[in-house]
Amino acid sequence: GAGVSQTPSNKVTEKGKYVELRCDPISGHTALYWYRQSLGQGPEFLIYFQGTGAADDSGLPNDRFFAVRPEGSVSTLKIQRTERGDSAVYLCASSSRQGRSNEQFFGPGTRLTVL
Amino acid sequence: AQSVTQLGSHVSVSEGALVLLRCNYSSSVPPYLFWYVQYPNQGLQLLLKYTSAATLVKGINGFEAEFKKSETSFHLTKPSAHMSDAAEYFCAVREGNNDMRFGAGTRLTVKP
Repeated sequence: GAGVSQTPSNKVTEKGKYVELRCDPISGHTALYWYRQSLGQGPEFLIYFQGTGAADDSGLPNDRFFAVRPEGSVSTLKIQRTERGDSAVYLCASSSRQGRSNEQFFGPGTRLTVL
Repeated sequence: AQSVTQLGSHVSVSEGALVLLRCNYSSSVPPYLFWYVQYPNQGLQLLLKYTSAATLVKGINGFEAEFKKSETSFHLTKPSAHMSDAAEYFCAVREGNNDMRFGAGTRLTVKP
């Protein structure tokens, strides 16, 4: 079965541009998470979806970051007016249901480079 | 608030030697604890998890970890390292349903 997929695998953009990062979770998984992993650091929580709604967006660093999951499956992380400090690997994870013991399955990530 | 500290950003062992990767946590509620492994250009893969049952947890690839409340630790061990164990290892703690707090990671190198 397919795991979590993320596209593109790499994205290079210029400062000030808008980018969209896509996540396809495992089929049937209702919970979806976005993390950001900077060089030499562990993943940092950004936002959590349960179904179509963002249940917790407390990790989004500022209002330039936004994520949607309109049909409760695919999610898109959107970054406006990108800054060099946004350069990182953006990870997506999904799990079959909410609950803190449930395993999160991670995708390979999208490496974003802002020049 | 929950947090994780991984002692040692790099650990190097010889093939066949004991692997010990250290993790200490801070949590305001009884924690759920996880170890993940990340191979180059791949997503994180769950090695094992502690969810308030047995304090000694066995995972995949021969790894195990012991939850010690008195020491607020959840160290990862493997009796005999294999070359294929070379990777980045992350400890994580989870209080609620939503986010997972990860440590900064430990890169394991295995020498032949």
